[in-house]
Amino acid sequence: EMVMTQSPATLSVSPGERATLSCRASQTVSSNLAWYQQKPGQAPRLLIYGASTRATGIPARFSGSGSGTEFTLTISSLQSEDFAVYYCQQYNNWPRTFGQGTKVEIK
Amino acid sequence: EVQLLESGEGLVPPGGSLRLPCAASGYTFSTHAMSWVRQTPGKGLEWVSCISGSGGSTYYADSVKGRFTISRDNSKNTLYLQMNSLRAEDTAVYYCAKHVGNPSGPFDYWGQGTLVTVSS
Repeated sequence: EMVMTQSPATLSVSPGERATLSCRASQTVSSNLAWYQQKPGQAPRLLIYGASTRATGIPARFSGSGSGTEFTLTISSLQSEDFAVYYCQQYNNWPRTFGQGTKVEIK
Repeated sequence: EVQLLESGEGLVPPGGSLRLPCAASGYTFSTHAMSWVRQTPGKGLEWVSCISGSGGSTYYADSVKGRFTISRDNSKNTLYLQMNSLRAEDTAVYYCAKHVGNPSGPFDYWGQGTLVTVSS
């Protein structure tokens, strides 16, 4: 099973600052990597797929990069609504697997 | 507007069964693969099962293989998860999720989730 490892577990950031989240795959997933945002009591929301393509309606401050085994989600200037948990997910192999999540909290 | 609505929430004893429906609307249901994903506080998000748009292909996580069955009724725009031989570790919020096209894609829409509790 493909293991997805996210770091850090928690990221404390001030509003307006940049946030950089990492995701590492135990084997190559090519560019078959997605990022999701989840707020308390809500379902996850697709942010990025294909490692770097923003989903419909996602603001330009969210960007994704990487391929193979190393991936990054960057939020260029954190807004109040961006404080949430972020998950990466690979869809290159079965079973589909998620990282354990990075919580972005207000500093 | 795409909408996914799960139901079937319940408390079930270990060894029991439960069926979860997910009603879809706002898109052409039969042309998109669907999955079930569950979430527990301790284990985060776990993909459970996937079914192709036609229903001809299905995929399962090892943790549920042989106990859970995914199916769909394209005439009713509804996805199902039949869960048998339930265990305490199956306790979770279960989400249905729509794939971007075929099973190869990520999940672009999710339902609100339904809670399944397995306990005596």
